[in-house]
Order: sequence, then C-alpha cells, then structure tokens
Amino acid sequence: EPEVTQTPSHQVTQMGQEVILRCVPISNHLYFYWYRQILGQKVEFLVSFYNNEISEKSEIFDDQFSVERPDGSNFTLKIRSTKLEDSAMYFCASSERAGPSNTEAFFGQGTRLTVV
Amino acid sequence: AQTVTQSQPEMSVQEAETVTLSCTYDTSESDYYLFWYKQPPSRQMILVIRQEAYKQQNATENRFSVNFQKAAKSFSLKISDSQLGDAAMYFCAYKGGYGGSQGNLIFGKGTKLSVKP
Repeated sequence: EPEVTQTPSHQVTQMGQEVILRCVPISNHLYFYWYRQILGQKVEFLVSFYNNEISEKSEIFDDQFSVERPDGSNFTLKIRSTKLEDSAMYFCASSERAGPSNTEAFFGQGTRLTVV
Repeated sequence: AQTVTQSQPEMSVQEAETVTLSCTYDTSESDYYLFWYKQPPSRQMILVIRQEAYKQQNATENRFSVNFQKAAKSFSLKISDSQLGDAAMYFCAYKGGYGGSQGNLIFGKGTKLSVKP
C-alpha cells in the first residue's frame, strides 16, 4: 500500500540552526501539507502546497518557515533559525485532490524535532 | 473561524465493550467533511472514519461508527467490541468543503483512549 514517508524520524538541532525535514508524498497525489504537533497539544496546520506554490498557510507559518518540492518527488519543510518552541512532531500529509471532491489526507509517521 | 472541541481528555473502556468519544464543532459552512483520526504510540495519524456533511446516513467502518448530528454540530465516534489495539489518541477533525479550500484539517485536542484487558 502506498504511504507517505518522512525522514529523519528524529532530529536534534541547536537553537539558531537551520533544519530541513523531508517527505516523500504518495506518487499520484497533488496536494501536500505540513502539520505540527507540540507535545501534549493538538495537531496544527502549517501549510498546504499545490502546483509548486503555497496555497494556504496558517499564522504559525511565518518567515522562518519555507517549503519546497525540489525534484518532483520530495517535499521539504525548512526552518531557517530554529527556536526552542519549534520543538514538536512535524507531520507531512498528501491527498489526491482537495476542495468539494476531496479525498482523505494520508499522513506520514512524523519527524520529531528537538531544539536544544 | 471553524473550531473543533473534544471535551473528554481521557476515556477508558473494558476490552470487548463499547465506548463513545465526543466531538463538537463550530462552522458557518454548509458543506464540509468530518474525520476521526487515530494516533497510536507510533505517532502516525491513521484515518478511522470519514463523514460528508451532506450525507444524512451515519458512516460505518467495521467496528467504528459515527453519530453525526448536523443541527447540533456533533460528531461522536462509537467503537464496538473494543480491542487492545484500539488504545490510542483519537482526534476529531474538520475540513471545509468549498472549492477555494485546499483542504487543511482543523483538529480537536484529542481523547486518549485506554483499553483494559
């Protein structure tokens, strides 16, 4: 069964450093998402991406965040200068469609980011 | 703005028994989708069941069923014949259905379900 894969599963980084979280969405999916879950809290939407551009983003997704689909298969989330409060589980998701005829979003297993 | 509320932080059920997890939501949209996701200790989010708001019939997936009350904006999940593997965090989620929406999900805070042998 096709699945969304994320690497690494766990990333530890120093405060102020840049990190790149990687995701390989399901191959025929066209819509990609990043979500964040701070430990013990609810899952929060960060950004959605379609046709090589951001289609929606939340207030959390400020200038220190960026997304990219560099090679047609990977979908990355970059955090330019990490802060302690960026420590969270980051989930990538993809869906075949969106809007009224939408299908479910398939989630990856997440990358646990720890900023020290 | 849409919100999703899960009022039960934790629930417990005896193996083979039935449990119901509550979810309410607030929206001004008429077209939307509701989901229950399961998050086991492995942390992966797994879709359990989905309900389209325009459908009056409650969705069912094997031992999982929902009670969708559109007027009351309520969307509860019933798990029948509970199994040890059902122990997980359960998240209720909302997705707007208009064409302009790119489909981001709005999650509740979750209910931690424990299953006792």
